[in-house]
Amino acid sequence: AQSVTQLDSHVSVSEGTPVLLRCNYSSSYSPSLFWYVQHPNKGLQLLLKYTSAATLVKGINGFEAEFKKSETSFHLTKPSAHMSDAAEYFCVVSDLYNFNKFYFGSGTKLNVKP
Amino acid sequence: NAGVTQTPKFQVLKTGQSMTLQCAQDMNHNSMYWYRQDPGMGLRLIYYSASEGTTDKGEVPNGYNVSRLNKREFSLRLESAAPSQTSVYFCASKLAGSYNEQFFGPGTRLTVL
Repeated sequence: AQSVTQLDSHVSVSEGTPVLLRCNYSSSYSPSLFWYVQHPNKGLQLLLKYTSAATLVKGINGFEAEFKKSETSFHLTKPSAHMSDAAEYFCVVSDLYNFNKFYFGSGTKLNVKP
Repeated sequence: NAGVTQTPKFQVLKTGQSMTLQCAQDMNHNSMYWYRQDPGMGLRLIYYSASEGTTDKGEVPNGYNVSRLNKREFSLRLESAAPSQTSVYFCASKLAGSYNEQFFGPGTRLTVL
């Protein structure tokens, strides 16, 4: 089975500063990769996904992620944090052999200070 | 389109009671999923159905059963609820094919006393 590691359970940044949320997965095989965001007491919304077309993926609300196969990483970045970015973020990876099965990281809570 | 809908939104059960969580999608998706979300653990897959007529276990299937009623509907049943099943339950659906994302419902908050 795949495993997904989100290296930081909490990240705190000031408004206007860069955001980096880290995600590593367990296999050098190229799975499907996704980032989702969950605002408090809400459902999950897709931020972006890796589709093998390009290693740098652009998503909604100014977020980007870079697929690095050699490092088995898919870190999420944003140049300038906004107060509305405060939420929990989940990295999601597909199973090695089954694109219909997925594994979630444990989540990173992003706090944005004014 | 309503997307993925779940009922009920909230439920309180006593230990040993049974209940069924309902999920429906109107996007003509092939695959449907049930997850539970517990603090600090992300979402864990309970069961999924890759296509109508099939169901498979996920990471944490014990204590649950599922039914893929038709292409639109996928229900999750707790036969004898336990306090360890207190959680938020999310249903999701996905179109067939690689790189397609899951779409999630709003969740059901279940408390077992």
